[in-house]
Amino acid sequence: DAGVIQSPRHEVTEMGQEVTLRCKPISGHNSLFWYRQTMMRGLELLIYFNNNVPIDDSGMPEDRFSAKMPNASFSTLKIQPSEPRDSAVYFCASSLDRVWTEAFFGQGTRLTVV
Amino acid sequence: GQQVMQIPQYQHVQEGEDFTTYCNSSTTLSNIQWYKQRPGGHPVFLIQLVKSGEVKKQKRLTFQFGEAKKNSSLHITATQTTDVGTYFCAGPLNDYKLSFGAGTTVTVRA
Repeated sequence: DAGVIQSPRHEVTEMGQEVTLRCKPISGHNSLFWYRQTMMRGLELLIYFNNNVPIDDSGMPEDRFSAKMPNASFSTLKIQPSEPRDSAVYFCASSLDRVWTEAFFGQGTRLTVV
Repeated sequence: GQQVMQIPQYQHVQEGEDFTTYCNSSTTLSNIQWYKQRPGGHPVFLIQLVKSGEVKKQKRLTFQFGEAKKNSSLHITATQTTDVGTYFCAGPLNDYKLSFGAGTTVTVRA
């Protein structure tokens, strides 16, 4: 397996534009997580899906953020409209079974909003 | 709410020396995980500890889970340049949410 695949690796966009980040989890994993990493706040969980269903989105900063998982092999995180304070590295991770097994992280998307 | 605290934030080590990073929780943890993130990279799972007082070793890395399951440590002996990176501990807040410590960023002087 190629691991968790995220795209794009880097994204530079102008304030106000829509940004869509993509993730392909490891086949067979039923848990998917979206994290955001910044120097100030560290690793923050944004949303958690289990069997394609959003279980906890309490970490999503505000209504500008939305996430979907239409099937077991694909998830998106959308920011609309984007703001400079959204600049961060966004990681997608998947695991076999919630927090009882290791989480496999993708290589991340470095988002810069100018 | 429960959070996992990690110290020190930075560790500057002379090559060949040992160092330890510590992780503490205000509540009992069911398990604790350790991850390493190389500069510019992504977190990579190192190990999971489950049992009270558990000690696990991976070559020069020794991981320990406290008797009360509220603290953990990572000790690295004879530090090498390949050890550079940020080491995170993570403990579950519930069945699916991991609380990551702030991480210990390690730099090595050759």
